[in-house]
Amino acid sequence: DIVMTQSPDSLAVSLGERATINCKSSQSVLYGSNNKNYLAWYQQKPGQPPKLLIYWASTRESGVPDRFSGSGSGTDFTLTISSLQAEDVAVYYCQQYYTTLRTFGQGTKVEIK
Amino acid sequence: QVQVVESGGGVVQPGRSLRLSCAASGFTFSTHGMHWVRQAPGKGLEWVAVISYDGGSKYYADSVKGRFTISRDNSKNTLYLQMNSLRAEDTAVYYCAKDLPWLDYWGQGTLVTVSS
Repeated sequence: DIVMTQSPDSLAVSLGERATINCKSSQSVLYGSNNKNYLAWYQQKPGQPPKLLIYWASTRESGVPDRFSGSGSGTDFTLTISSLQAEDVAVYYCQQYYTTLRTFGQGTKVEIK
Repeated sequence: QVQVVESGGGVVQPGRSLRLSCAASGFTFSTHGMHWVRQAPGKGLEWVAVISYDGGSKYYADSVKGRFTISRDNSKNTLYLQMNSLRAEDTAVYYCAKDLPWLDYWGQGTLVTVSS
């Protein structure tokens, strides 16, 4: 199975500042034939189900604010919130869909400093 | 609009069985794979199982293989998870989610508590 490791486990950022979350996969999730990274990001607020933010490592889901961006390739990926808002307090998960047996990172909790 | 609604959760004794259901609407259910994902209290997300659009292929996490069975009824737009030989560590909120192949729609989840 592909192991997904996020860092840090938690971070506190001031309102309006940048938040950066990293995700590393134990093997590449870049599919050579289409040059796409099989990596998604989800946001989960307390008491709610996860919500899709980004797929193909960098494509924002419809309706997701443009302060959320994804980058990276191969085994190393980043989710960036360019200007943290109060409503962004949540746990963020990366997930690979390169293999049929999907795996998630352990989650990163984002709080307001 | 797309909706997936889980049901069937509850309190069950260790070793017993439970069947979860997920009713889908707002999309062509029979053309999409579907997943079950669970979340233990205060923990992260754990992928459980996936079934292909026609039910012909099924895959499981090692933690549930041999005990859980995913199935679907495309005539009823419903996904199922049959859970046998339940253990305390299976206590979690169980979500169903639509495959795209990322998980683009999730239900609200149903809580399964395994306790004597």
